[in-house]
Amino acid sequence: DTGVSQNPRHKITKRGQNVTFRCDPISEHNRLYWYRQTLGQGPEFLTYFQNEAQLEKSRLLSDRFSAERPKGSFSTLEIQRTEQGDSAMYLCASSFPRTGEPSYNEQFFGPGTRLTVL
Amino acid sequence: KQEVTQIPAALSVPEGENLVLNCSFTDSAIYNLQWFRQDPGKGLTSLLLIQSSQREQTSGRLNASLDKSSGRSTLYIAASQPGDSATYLCAVRTGTASKLTFGTGTRLQVTL
Repeated sequence: DTGVSQNPRHKITKRGQNVTFRCDPISEHNRLYWYRQTLGQGPEFLTYFQNEAQLEKSRLLSDRFSAERPKGSFSTLEIQRTEQGDSAMYLCASSFPRTGEPSYNEQFFGPGTRLTVL
Repeated sequence: KQEVTQIPAALSVPEGENLVLNCSFTDSAIYNLQWFRQDPGKGLTSLLLIQSSQREQTSGRLNASLDKSSGRSTLYIAASQPGDSATYLCAVRTGTASKLTFGTGTRLQVTL
């Protein structure tokens, strides 16, 4: 399978615990995105990497959230001191703009990690 | 701030019917618009991407149109099948940002 993969698929944790999610993008995709989706809503942007550089962060990404992409390949999203409001589906996407067509930047999503904070 | 709205929120149609899903956005300075499908509890599957310079894109039974000046896109599904039952999301990439801004989706049910 050459699509975007995410691990774990499900995570149940107690309030106050730290959790870390991993995303493996499609091979050779240089852009990687994290989104969060709550029930009945569309995904909301969290952060974006181009190679290993984190270029954009949403105001939704409080200081309890940190994301890394150390070698420009896989990425991790860590949530410290989890709160019940962090319960959501965390989605990762990757893309690679077409040569000569920077506006053609189709994002491909992984299956998501569903976080439940008790 | 870009806002994306999808109407209707839910739709139920009998198998074989043609249908149209609507998406509107407030800021017309978009780079592109993507339509996605999401099955319950799953990730998103990209269906079509329309660049800002294009008017429509087709893939199989799906046809998406874009009217950037009026801030609207439609997804046309021909000859609907029960397997088309899912939530359909539209998302826009605005200005120089790389992120997508999503609507809340249209939940489609195709009945036998």
